[in-house]
Amino acid sequence: QVPLQESGPRLVKPSETLSLTCTVSVTGGPIDYFYWSWLRQSPGKGLEWIGNIFHSGSTYYNPSLKSRVTLAIDTSEKQFSLRVRSVTAADTAVYYCARGRSCDSKTCYDSHAWFGPWGRGTLVTVSS
Amino acid sequence: QSMLTQPPSASGTPGQRVTISCSGSSSNIGSNPVYWYQQVPGTAPKLLIYSNNRRPSGVPDRFSGSRSGASASLAISGLQSEDEADYYCVAWDDSQNGHVALGGGTKVTVL
Repeated sequence: QVPLQESGPRLVKPSETLSLTCTVSVTGGPIDYFYWSWLRQSPGKGLEWIGNIFHSGSTYYNPSLKSRVTLAIDTSEKQFSLRVRSVTAADTAVYYCARGRSCDSKTCYDSHAWFGPWGRGTLVTVSS
Repeated sequence: QSMLTQPPSASGTPGQRVTISCSGSSSNIGSNPVYWYQQVPGTAPKLLIYSNNRRPSGVPDRFSGSRSGASASLAISGLQSEDEADYYCVAWDDSQNGHVALGGGTKVTVL
């Protein structure tokens, strides 16, 4: 069973909103024990971090994307989601969801730079 | 988003040792652990090294990481053909209310 799986529209028109969902399977771990992350990779380019979210609602965003991005989490559905508003061609990329650092009632472990396991990624194209 | 600096490419012949550098600042590598990711073309990245020098289970011990001051490095000893991939260094950055800093990636070619 794939630990994490991205889903959502593969084609988005310029100026509209890109929406993706990541579903966490049993092998992905308890959704209320980890931070969950989104990253992306434009064609032929390097990785770009988008943001991290915890079940409590705690979020961290890439400062350069923060004004257009919203992360949300639905623990009952074992899903977390990404919305990117006012997209342009520069938002065309393979979008990955990944599991982040773990946190129990007392503390968090590792770092927010921990990403793993990863989803397989989904290519989203912004075009009219 | 802060960027960490990596060389764009590195190469070696099978069996050689290859080292990739990653340069940051006091707000990221200088004060937070470094992570390394391996991305084979056409696949999702995979965690290779965490907390500067620790390997997740299943990662061969020919991969090793180190950190000194505001710089880090990844070494691949006994280079193998399957090591041909892109490698990214990543660290948390304490500036701007906290964010993730990533390197631009290093393409390792096995000659």
